[in-house]
Amino acid sequence: DAKTTQPNSMESNEEEPVHLPCNHSTISGTDYIHWYRQLPSQGPEYVIHGLTSNVNNRMASLAIAEDRKSSTLILHRATLRDAAVYYCILSGFITQGGSEKLVFGKGTKLTVNP
Amino acid sequence: GAGVSQSPSNKVTEKGKDVELRCDPISGHTALYWYRQRLGQGLEFLIYFQGNSAPDKSGLPSDRFSAERTGESVSTLTIQRTQQEDSAVYLCASSPRVTAQNTEAFFGQGTRLTVV
Repeated sequence: DAKTTQPNSMESNEEEPVHLPCNHSTISGTDYIHWYRQLPSQGPEYVIHGLTSNVNNRMASLAIAEDRKSSTLILHRATLRDAAVYYCILSGFITQGGSEKLVFGKGTKLTVNP
Repeated sequence: GAGVSQSPSNKVTEKGKDVELRCDPISGHTALYWYRQRLGQGLEFLIYFQGNSAPDKSGLPSDRFSAERTGESVSTLTIQRTQQEDSAVYLCASSPRVTAQNTEAFFGQGTRLTVV
């Protein structure tokens, strides 16, 4: 399985932008980059995903490096509710009887200070 | 249904007993995942079902663990002869998995298993 590397923890202040980095130097051409987050005592929830181009949705933005070996999840204005563990995951598509499973690493624990 | 439903939400069992955990995915979702999360740890992949393909069982930690799925609906995770190290939250997720571009997975709230 392709691997990702994320910092163990990060801190931010409320209403400030947050940039969460992820390295994935062994990414293959068919791997999508997914981000999930897990709020305390809850199951993970989808945040965003992309392949090559930067992506925006109501929750966040995903900036993907040109060589695709790294990406950054951007929360434009952090709120207390954004305090969670953020997971960066690679998921590929295998056409010949393989599987496309989501394998979670340890993630980055984001603390948001009021 | 609204989302992924897991039952029971909590289960306390004695060491050595068998347990069955149930997952009802979102209707129409072809992909289903099981994960284990020990206290303070990350998610550990267990098994993945995708349509009629053979399941990916590569994450099952021992032969005491097994899972079944009926068509594209309910799944059960069975743990035989439970051990204390099996204590964890067991999370189920489902995904439409229509194309390679869409693998957004929706998670249930989990079953908290405590082996005493």
